[in-house]
Amino acid sequence: DAGVIQSPRHEVTEMGQEVTLRCKPISGHDYLFWYRQTMMRGLELLIYFNNNVPIDDSGMPEDRFSAKMPNASFSTLKIQPSEPRDSAVYFCASSFGLAGGAYEQYFGPGTRLTVT
Amino acid sequence: AQKVTQAQTEISVVEKEDVTLDCVYETRDTTYYLFWYKQPPSGELVFLIRRNSFDEQNEISGRYSWNFQKSTSSFNFTITASQVVDSAVYFCALSESDTGGYNKLIFGAGTRLAVHP
Repeated sequence: DAGVIQSPRHEVTEMGQEVTLRCKPISGHDYLFWYRQTMMRGLELLIYFNNNVPIDDSGMPEDRFSAKMPNASFSTLKIQPSEPRDSAVYFCASSFGLAGGAYEQYFGPGTRLTVT
Repeated sequence: AQKVTQAQTEISVVEKEDVTLDCVYETRDTTYYLFWYKQPPSGELVFLIRRNSFDEQNEISGRYSWNFQKSTSSFNFTITASQVVDSAVYFCALSESDTGGYNKLIFGAGTRLAVHP
């Protein structure tokens, strides 16, 4: 399998612009997660989906952030409008589901976002 | 609330030394899962191990071993005969139960390991 695929790998944008990050999970995985990694806050879970349905978005920092999963093989994380403090590495991860448990998550290579 | 503490921010060793990375967790759940991930300089996060709270057996995989002790809420990771390729940031993570199950991971701050030739 190709693993979790994220695009773009790097994104540089100006404050106020809309940014869309994309993710293709591993085929067959029914959970998808979006994380953000910064030096100050470490790895934070933003939102996760189960069978394309958002389960927990309590980590989404503000209304400027939104995420969708229109089908089992694609998800987007959108920031509109972007701000310099959104600069971070954004990871997408996917996993199988386990009733009453948790399987390991497999991470994509990340998107390094820089907002100037 | 769930919490993962990796008290060692950075560790520096010389090749072939053994090194132990500490992980202490806090949870009120009786069922939980613990994980270790490796983040090499290239940036991706690589899964190393998953452990559930009912299995306290230690695990060995090549030069890697893990010691899980519920009595001290610790899940420590030891690399034997370290190599330069082991240089990375290592994260310990704890699953947090919510309405969706146990899929929410709480990560520690990470330990940066530098192995010098």
